Amino acid sequence: AQSVTQLGSHVSVSEGALVLLRCNYSSSVPPYLFWYVQYPNQGLQLLLKYTTGATLVKGINGFEAEFKKSETSFHLTKPSAHMSDAAEYFCAVSDLSSARQLTFGSGTQLTVLP
Amino acid sequence: DAGVIQSPRHEVTEMGQEVTLRCKPISGHDYLFWYRQTMMRGLELLIYFNNNVPIDDSGMPEDRFSAKMPNASFSTLKIQPSEPRDSAVYFCASSLREGLPDTQYFGPGTRLTVL
Repeated sequence: AQSVTQLGSHVSVSEGALVLLRCNYSSSVPPYLFWYVQYPNQGLQLLLKYTTGATLVKGINGFEAEFKKSETSFHLTKPSAHMSDAAEYFCAVSDLSSARQLTFGSGTQLTVLP
Repeated sequence: DAGVIQSPRHEVTEMGQEVTLRCKPISGHDYLFWYRQTMMRGLELLIYFNNNVPIDDSGMPEDRFSAKMPNASFSTLKIQPSEPRDSAVYFCASSLREGLPDTQYFGPGTRLTVL
């Protein structure tokens, strides 16, 4: 069975500071990994996804994530936070055996301070 | 494309009433998913369809919940009778089988409050 753990349900950063949101996964087979963002009163929007190949994945809005198999991690980063980045971020995992189904983490609420 | 469309956006009802949530997936998508989001349980997959056929409904909490997809452009999630613990945001998502993994596109959600 797959699972996702997001460390820190709330993260606060200052505008212009580095954003680091942590995600660790558990999967018995090579995983597919995703980051979704949810703005208030909206649905989830895909930020980026890892399938195979290059372990550093670039997404929209300047975000990127690195797949580290040895650490079973897929942390999300952005060099410089913007006020518009304030949202909830979800890490999710699927794999070949359940590729149509996403298992989501519990989410991390990002607050950007002026 | 207009994206995934859900209606209503907000629903307030009384315990015991029937509730029907509606979803129109992105045109051409062949997978449709229903999720529920609560503070306590996070995002849970309830059921998903492929080409209008239910594939996995193991996430449906109990018999009070049912979902249908009569055609490729419409799906419903029905709760009868509703209970206060059903209060949540319900999302519909759709995807196109273009190789693994699919990207799921989410609708804006329906916020359900059962009094």
